[in-house]
Amino acid sequence: DIQMTQSPASLSASLGETVSIECLASEGISNDLAWYQQKSGKSPQLLIYAASRLQDGVPSRFSGSGSGTRYSLKISGMQPEDEADYFCQQSYKYPLTFGSGTKLEIK
Amino acid sequence: EVQLQQSGAELVKPGASVKLSCKTSGYTFSNYYMSWLKQMPGQNIEWIGNIYGGNGGTGYNQKFKGKATLTVDKSSSTAYMDLSSLTSEDSAVYFCARGGLRFDYWGQGVMVTVSS
Repeated sequence: DIQMTQSPASLSASLGETVSIECLASEGISNDLAWYQQKSGKSPQLLIYAASRLQDGVPSRFSGSGSGTRYSLKISGMQPEDEADYFCQQSYKYPLTFGSGTKLEIK
Repeated sequence: EVQLQQSGAELVKPGASVKLSCKTSGYTFSNYYMSWLKQMPGQNIEWIGNIYGGNGGTGYNQKFKGKATLTVDKSSSTAYMDLSSLTSEDSAVYFCARGGLRFDYWGQGVMVTVSS
C-alpha cells in the first residue's frame, strides 16, 4: 500500500496568515492527489483534486501544488472558518490511502 | 442538489452483523461509483471499498475483505454496506461518499458502536 506521510500533525495560525501542509507519498503518485477539509463532527469536503485543481465552490485562497512524491496544500490568508482537520488522499493505486491529518487551529 | 443520506447510529453486540444504508438523490446513481470509508475517533480515514451503481461491480481494500460487503439497489438509488463478525475494532464512524477515486459528495456519517 502507498503510505501518505502528512506534516505537521497540528499547527496554529493567525487570521490572515498563510499556512502550508505537506504530504509525502511512499512512491510517486503522478499528481493523483486530493485534499479534504473536515470540520469538527462533520463529513470531509473535497478541496483540491489532481494535486492542484480547485473543486467547484471552494474559495480561491486554497491552492495545491507538488509532483512526484511531494505535495502541499496552501491557505493564503487564514480565515476563522478554515479551522479544521485537513487530509491528503492518493488515488494512484488501490487501496486508496489517506494521510494521518493536520489539525489547523486559530492562534 | 446531490444528497447522500445515511441510516442512523447503531449499537450492536460483538459477533453480530449490521447493514448500513446510503440513500442518494440529485444525480444519476447508475453513472457513479460509491465508496465506503471508516474513521475511528480522532483517527485517520480508511477506504473500505467501492461499488459501481450501474452494475454492482465491487473493489475492496484487502484489509476489509470478509468484513465488509457492498451492494446497491438501483431502483431506490441506495447503496448498502454489510459489516460482519463485529468486534470493538469495528467501532467507528462510517461514511459513504460518491466516487471511485476521489470523493466529491459525502454522507453525514453513521456511528457504529460495538459493545455488549
